Amino acid sequence: DAKTTQPPSMDCAEGRAANLPCNHSTISGNEYVYWYRQIHSQGPQYIIHGLKNNETNEMASLIITEDRKSSTLILPHATLRDTAVYYCIVRVALYGNKLVFGAGTILRVKS
Amino acid sequence: DTGVSQDPRHKITKRGQNVTFRCDPISEHNRLYWYRQTLGQGPEFLTYFQNEAQLEKSRLLSDRFSAERPKGSFSTLEIQRTEQGDSAMYLCASSLVAFRRNTEAFFGQGTRLTVV
Repeated sequence: DAKTTQPPSMDCAEGRAANLPCNHSTISGNEYVYWYRQIHSQGPQYIIHGLKNNETNEMASLIITEDRKSSTLILPHATLRDTAVYYCIVRVALYGNKLVFGAGTILRVKS
Repeated sequence: DTGVSQDPRHKITKRGQNVTFRCDPISEHNRLYWYRQTLGQGPEFLTYFQNEAQLEKSRLLSDRFSAERPKGSFSTLEIQRTEQGDSAMYLCASSLVAFRRNTEAFFGQGTRLTVV
């Protein structure tokens, strides 16, 4: 699975959009981009995934660049409860394979 | 169904003792995963099962670690002769991999092990 690079931490004002970047310059054509988050003292939680098209669900939007070498997770209206570690993961299979986590980005949402 | 359940939530043990953790996956989920997480790091993959078959084991899983899923439902992770370096959060996850019924991995809240 391709390696990802994320900033170690970011701050965001409550109610504003949080934009979390991820670089995956060695991604292969059959690798998907996944995002999970982990709120303190809880297990990781799935957010969203995509292959090459932008994706949106009730939690977030995922923007993948045309060359697929980077992506951005967007939380449109961040709340204090969105404070968490956000992990960007690249993996081959759409479902079932293990997840390889990096250190992630600590997002602090501040009032 | 309330999700992936892990027991106990916390365990303190003396070095050299054996410990066993249990994971109850979401019903119908055929895949079950174990991860370990130390402070400030992302979770590290240990092993996973497809039904009762253990399909992959990480090199992190030393001889002192053993995992089972005897009937393809709940799973246990045993650590023998615990060492202080085993102190970590042990996370379990489950997913369904089936034709047209795939799901993402859902994680439990973990078992925090402290070896003193």
